[in-house]
Amino acid sequence: DVKVTQSSRYLVKRTGEKVFLECVQDMDHENMFWYRQDPGLGLRLIYFSYDVKMKEKGDIPEGYSVSREKKERFSLILESASTNQTSMYLCASSSKTSGITYNEQFFGPGTRLTVL
Amino acid sequence: AQSVSQHNHHVILSEAASLELGCNYSYGGTVNLFWYVQYPGQHLQLLLKYFSGDPLVKGIKGFEAEFIKSKFSFNLRKPSVQWSDTAEYFCAVNENNNDMRFGAGTRLTVKP
Repeated sequence: DVKVTQSSRYLVKRTGEKVFLECVQDMDHENMFWYRQDPGLGLRLIYFSYDVKMKEKGDIPEGYSVSREKKERFSLILESASTNQTSMYLCASSSKTSGITYNEQFFGPGTRLTVL
Repeated sequence: AQSVSQHNHHVILSEAASLELGCNYSYGGTVNLFWYVQYPGQHLQLLLKYFSGDPLVKGIKGFEAEFIKSKFSFNLRKPSVQWSDTAEYFCAVNENNNDMRFGAGTRLTVKP
């Protein structure tokens, strides 16, 4: 079974703090994704990576950065947390098979971040 | 703008009722289509997917979805829901192997 793990289920931070969210997958997937999930808005893509040290902006990258130094690990960084970044953050991974980049995605359990 | 629409935000059904959740998209190219489910307290997981072939796709737990290209739709169906189907359901669309967009989700409550 594919397993995607996220470093924390719940996190509380203060405005202005630097926040690191870690994601690890164990299936040697090429692609990794960070989403935020908000009620009524569904999932919105923040960043994705299709290879080590590669990254692409999603729909809402402002205020976030990412790092992918190893294939299995994809980190989301909030450089200076703000209250409007309070949300559920989901990490996902997928394999790139038959040339299909956006194959089935496997999701982690999510990190509920509260910024005070 | 390209978008995925799920018209029903919250659906409430009694057990054994039939279910249909709508999903429409605005893309004009080749699409790959997905339905994901999120049970309370659990992570998102795939219910079913369509890439090509038979437009009627069967997934896990008795769910199915039909791709109607002319209507830009991929509605999810189940003939008889159970209390354990209570969850949030997300439609997702990938166009031309670029991008993946999710709908806003439909919360399903099944009353025992």
